[in-house]
Amino acid sequence: DIQMTQSPSTLSASVGDRVTITCRASQSINNWLAWYQQKSGKAPKLLIYKASSLESGVPSRFSGSGSGTEFTLTITNLQPDDFATYYCQQYNSESQTFGQGTKVEIK
Amino acid sequence: QLQLQESGPGLVKPSETLSLICTVSGDSIRNNSYYWGWIRQPPGKGLEWIGSIYYTGSTYYNASLKSRVTISVDTSRNQFSLKVSSVTAADTAVYYCARHRGTAAAPEDFWGLGTLVTVSS
Repeated sequence: DIQMTQSPSTLSASVGDRVTITCRASQSINNWLAWYQQKSGKAPKLLIYKASSLESGVPSRFSGSGSGTEFTLTITNLQPDDFATYYCQQYNSESQTFGQGTKVEIK
Repeated sequence: QLQLQESGPGLVKPSETLSLICTVSGDSIRNNSYYWGWIRQPPGKGLEWIGSIYYTGSTYYNASLKSRVTISVDTSRNQFSLKVSSVTAADTAVYYCARHRGTAAAPEDFWGLGTLVTVSS
């Protein structure tokens, strides 16, 4: 099974900051990597797919990069609405696994 | 507008079978661009993909749950369902149904609101 490890587990930041979350895969997944945002009590929301493709309707301050085993999600000019938990997800045609999540909290 | 709605008992006894239905509205479950899946999240923990199904009935399961999970589809009702047998407290979670865009395990681009299922006697 492919394991996904996110860091950090928690991140404290202020409005306007640039934040970066890292996700590492236990083996190469090419660019089959997605990022989700989840707010408390809500379903996750897809932000990024294929490592760097922005889902329709997602603000451009969100961006993704990476390939192989190391990936990053970057949020520039952090907004109040962005304080949430973020998950990476590796996927192929028949299975998927999520990272353990990174909580972005107000500093 | 697409809507997915989970329904089913909120409380299941240990060793029994958990059963949930996802009703899809605003699109046909026969749309050949999508698979339909289940994901769960134990309270305070992360996300776990359970499995998914195509409208033809082809299924794909998480290997760690495969022996206890059955996903089926009812195209006449535009619904798909989940059964998890021999449940324990570890199966307590919010269960989400979702749409996969393109392949069986592609990212979920649309989710239901989720339903909490508690396993307890």
